[in-house]
Amino acid sequence: NAGVTQTPKFRILKIGQSMTLQCTQDMNHNYMYWYRQDPGMGLKLIYYSVGAGITDKGEVPNGYNVSRSTTEDFPLRLELAAPSQTSVYFCASSYDRGEQYFGPGTRLTVT
Amino acid sequence: TQLLEQSPQFLSIQEGENLTVYCNSSSVFSSLQWYRQEPGEGPVLLVTVVTGGEVKKLKRLTFQFGDARKDSSLHITAAQPGDTGLYLCAGARGNTPLVFGKGTRLSVIA
Repeated sequence: NAGVTQTPKFRILKIGQSMTLQCTQDMNHNYMYWYRQDPGMGLKLIYYSVGAGITDKGEVPNGYNVSRSTTEDFPLRLELAAPSQTSVYFCASSYDRGEQYFGPGTRLTVT
Repeated sequence: TQLLEQSPQFLSIQEGENLTVYCNSSSVFSSLQWYRQEPGEGPVLLVTVVTGGEVKKLKRLTFQFGDARKDSSLHITAAQPGDTGLYLCAGARGNTPLVFGKGTRLSVIA
């Protein structure tokens, strides 16, 4: 079991560029989440999904989009990167609304 | 308004000392979890407490859920440098996603 995997590990974007952060889980979890964590801070929920085809906004969804076409994958899309989106992004999954399992994170810098 | 308040925000102690960190709310949670995040990694679940007044032990770590299920504490006995990290509490309520606190950043100095 690989658990939750995220790619890439690091990325530098120029302002206005777009990119997709990939997240895959092999635990057959229905629930998946995207968080961002700014330096020295806690986690802020961007988007979440309770199953394939269903997504919902979290606390800080502006500037991001998600899709959930399969149970395993939950990609996060940044359309027009801005410096305020510099952060570490974590994907997580859970069997129900309880215990979450996190990926190793993607460190994104927008300059 | 932060739904889950964690204190202290930062804590730096010497190896061998004991410490307690707190997670408080005015809301009731059906369960509460504690995670530890080491630098450069994702959070890892330590424990889940479900019943009011519940106490769970994980080696030198003792977790307690408040009787009213609004608060929790984490006590570490004889802290070691390997305990260094960000400790996050997270509460479960109804059909909403987990609510995370901002965390307590612990540094244990050898």
